[in-house]
Amino acid sequence: AQSVTQLGSHVSVSEGALVLLRCNYSSSVPPYLFWYVQYPNQGLQLLLKYTSAATLVKGINGFEAEFKKSETSFHLTKPSAHMSDAAEYFCAVNNYGQNFVFGPGTRLSVLP
Amino acid sequence: KAGVTQTPRYLIKTRGQQVTLSCSPISGHRSVSWYQQTPGQGLQFLFEYFSETQRNKGNFPGRFSGRQFSNSRSEMNVSTLELGDSALYLCASSAGTGGGQPQHFGDGTRLSIL
Repeated sequence: AQSVTQLGSHVSVSEGALVLLRCNYSSSVPPYLFWYVQYPNQGLQLLLKYTSAATLVKGINGFEAEFKKSETSFHLTKPSAHMSDAAEYFCAVNNYGQNFVFGPGTRLSVLP
Repeated sequence: KAGVTQTPRYLIKTRGQQVTLSCSPISGHRSVSWYQQTPGQGLQFLFEYFSETQRNKGNFPGRFSGRQFSNSRSEMNVSTLELGDSALYLCASSAGTGGGQPQHFGDGTRLSIL
């Protein structure tokens, strides 16, 4: 069975600092991986996805993630945090014929 | 292209009642999934429909049911509501069921049980 862990339920960074949100997955076969963001009172919005074309994936709003098979990780980064990045972030895994499995989420706070 | 539309946005019910939530997927998308989101349990998968057939089902009691129509619109029904059913219910659509197809979410229906 697939599973996703996200280290840190809450991460705080200063505006302009590096954002690093961690995601590790467990899957018997190489999965497809996704990062989503959720703003208050809204649904989830796709940030980026990994589908084996390239290990470094660039997404929207300056975010990127790197797939590391040896570490079973797919960490999300952004070089410089902006106040508008404050939200909840979810990592998800999916394989053919199986439903999406989401991690518990990490709430990102950006301090002025 | 219009996004995923969920109606209603907010709903208040009392214990024992039943409720029906609606989801209109992105045009051309044939797969619709439903999730329950609560602060304590996070995002939990309810079920997925593709071409009017339920393909996957999560670990929820039989009080939770769904269906999909020929135009891909979907509804979920919860009967005999309990206080613990208070949650944000999210619908997501995708173009297919193959791995790698991203899901696109609606803004959800917030259900409160009194």
